[in-house]
Amino acid sequence: AQSVSQHNHHVILSEAASLELGCNYSYGGTVNLFWYVQYPGQHLQLLLKYFSGDPLVKGIKGFEAEFIKSKFSFNLRKPSVQWSDTAEYFCAVTSSGGGADGLTFGKGTHLIIQP
Amino acid sequence: DAGVIQSPRHEVTEMGQEVTLRCKPISGHDYLFWYRQTMMRGLELLIYFNNNVPIDDSGMPEDRFSAKMPNASFSTLKIQPSEPRDSAVYFCAVCGGVRGTEAFFGQGTRLTVV
Repeated sequence: AQSVSQHNHHVILSEAASLELGCNYSYGGTVNLFWYVQYPGQHLQLLLKYFSGDPLVKGIKGFEAEFIKSKFSFNLRKPSVQWSDTAEYFCAVTSSGGGADGLTFGKGTHLIIQP
Repeated sequence: DAGVIQSPRHEVTEMGQEVTLRCKPISGHDYLFWYRQTMMRGLELLIYFNNNVPIDDSGMPEDRFSAKMPNASFSTLKIQPSEPRDSAVYFCAVCGGVRGTEAFFGQGTRLTVV
């Protein structure tokens, strides 16, 4: 069964600081990888996704993530965070071998940006 | 398209009562998922459907939980009887099933069982 591990449950940064949120997955086959964001009181929205090609993926709002297959990692980065980035961030994985198989999510990282 | 619509947005009920959560998915998406979100466990997949057929319900915590999808435009998650530990936010999500397709989430139902 696939699983996702997010290392940091809570991260507090100042505005303009650089961000990196860790994500490691466990699955024996090829995967699709996602980062979702959940702003306070809202539903999950897709930030970015990877399913093939360039392992460096760029998403909305200046976020990017790098897929490193040898490390089973898909870390999320942003060079300069803003107060509006305060949210919960979820890494998710699904197998890419046909069918949805259900997205498996990490437990999330609560990011707080201090002005 | 209005997106995935869940109702009610908030539900407060007494322990032992039956609770029914509803989801109206986006048309044209073959997969529908029910997730539960709590502080302790994060996001948990409860069950998912493909073309209205339940595929994997191994995440359903107990027999008190049941889900149905009578047609492509409607799904329900029922808890009977409800317990305080069922308090959580329940999300419905859909995706097209094509490799790399993202999932679209509803706004969620915040359930409180007292």
